[in-house]
Amino acid sequence: GAGVSQSPSNKVTEKGKDVELRCDPISGHTALYWYRQRLGQGLEFLIYFQGNSAPDKSGLPSDRFSAERTGESVSTLTIQRTQQEDSAVYLCASSPIVGQKNEQYFGPGTRLTVT
Amino acid sequence: DQQVKQNSPSLSVQEGRISILNCDYTNSMFDYFLWYKKYPAEGPTFLISISSIKDKNEDGRFTVFLNKSAKHLSLHIVPSQPGDSAVYFCAASAEIAGTYKYIFGTGTRLKVLA
Repeated sequence: GAGVSQSPSNKVTEKGKDVELRCDPISGHTALYWYRQRLGQGLEFLIYFQGNSAPDKSGLPSDRFSAERTGESVSTLTIQRTQQEDSAVYLCASSPIVGQKNEQYFGPGTRLTVT
Repeated sequence: DQQVKQNSPSLSVQEGRISILNCDYTNSMFDYFLWYKKYPAEGPTFLISISSIKDKNEDGRFTVFLNKSAKHLSLHIVPSQPGDSAVYFCAASAEIAGTYKYIFGTGTRLKVLA
């Protein structure tokens, strides 16, 4: 079946512009996760959704970051007034249900470059 | 504050030999640990996991060992194959105050030499 898909695969934007990153989880997966990987660093957990609810937004780096999810499907991660430090690969993952024991299925990521 | 550490950024091993990747964590609240493998330009894929109530889990060529007292886990791959060449991430998770936390290490790049 289809895996997690993300769009765009690459995004170059100018500092100060807003960007929207999209994630399509595996059909039927109620849990969805967003991560960021800066160059040479590990995966930084940003936020997860159980259905369309995000119980903990404390992982978002700043108030310029926001995320939404429509039902149990598509999610968008929006970064307002982008900064060069936002340059990273943004990874989305999904799992059948949320929980620490559940393996997560990752998409290929969106590489964001802020110039 | 890096709660999950993979202190070896890279490792080279001859084909057929054992690869040992190490991971240390600091938070005793972590109770489930996972290893993911990542190829270039792809997302990580799940490899193997272990609960904190166990000290070993084996799946084919892959074995994960957990030493809770030392807050240390390791992934053993034997025999190593060239297709195992990838970046390996250790991840720790916990349920804290009704929400879930997922912390990944910085990864170890494994190169298996033919």
